[in-house]
Amino acid sequence: AQKVTQTQTSISVMEKTTVTMDCVYETQDSSYFLFWYKQTASGEIVFLIRQDSYKKENATVGHYSLNFQKPKSSIGLIITATQIEDSAVYFCAMREGGTQVVGQLTFGRGTRLQVYA
Amino acid sequence: AQTIHQWPVAEIKAVGSPLSLGCTIKGKSSPNLYWYWQATGGTLQQLFYSITVGQVESVVQLNLSASRPKDDQFILSTEKLLLSHSGFYLCAWSRTEDTQYFGPGTRLLVL
Repeated sequence: AQKVTQTQTSISVMEKTTVTMDCVYETQDSSYFLFWYKQTASGEIVFLIRQDSYKKENATVGHYSLNFQKPKSSIGLIITATQIEDSAVYFCAMREGGTQVVGQLTFGRGTRLQVYA
Repeated sequence: AQTIHQWPVAEIKAVGSPLSLGCTIKGKSSPNLYWYWQATGGTLQQLFYSITVGQVESVVQLNLSASRPKDDQFILSTEKLLLSHSGFYLCAWSRTEDTQYFGPGTRLLVL
C-alpha cells in the first residue's frame, strides 16, 4: 500500500529566503508519480510541480524545485526567494503507476508554511 | 482553458437531511473526475472517481454516493447526513491519469 509522510507540521521563514519541505513515500511499484500541491487560506488547492519516478532530473517550475532522492524514497520541495504569498499548507502526494484505482492520489498530512516580513 | 466549478460554495445542514453537491468542468471533453473530502485541518481523502459518463467507482465508503449524469458533471450525494460528513469537499479533474486539478471546493457543516 502506498503511504506519504510529511513530518514537518509547521515552518516559519523570513521572506526572500529559501525553504525546504520534506516528504518521504512508500510504494512497491517501480513506476510512480509524485506531486506537490499548496492549499491557500481560502481552501483552494493549487498544483505546483511533479516528478515522475523514471526521470533522473529534478523538476523545476518557477521558484519551486524538487530534491528527488529515489534511494531514500524522498521528494523534498524547495522554494527559493520566498514571498509572503507563499504562506499556505503544502501537500505532498503520490500516485502509483500500477494501481487498480484510477488516478488514486495518496496525500501527506501537509506542512504549514508561514512567511514573514 | 479548462475551468471547474463547484456548487454550492458552502452549506449548513441538519443531521439526517439529504445532500447534493455538484461539480462542472468546462473546456475539456471526457475528463477523469474525482471527489475528495478533507476534514478541518486534515489531509485529502479520495472518495470516488469516474472515467466516463454513467460510471463511478467508490474508493472509500463514507455513506455517500456519486453519479456522473453528463460528461462534464459530477454529483456527490447522500440521503442522510451524519455529523462526520462535515468538512471540505473538493472535485478534481485530469486528462486520463495525468496531473489532477482541483475545483474551489464546498464547505459543509452538519449540525
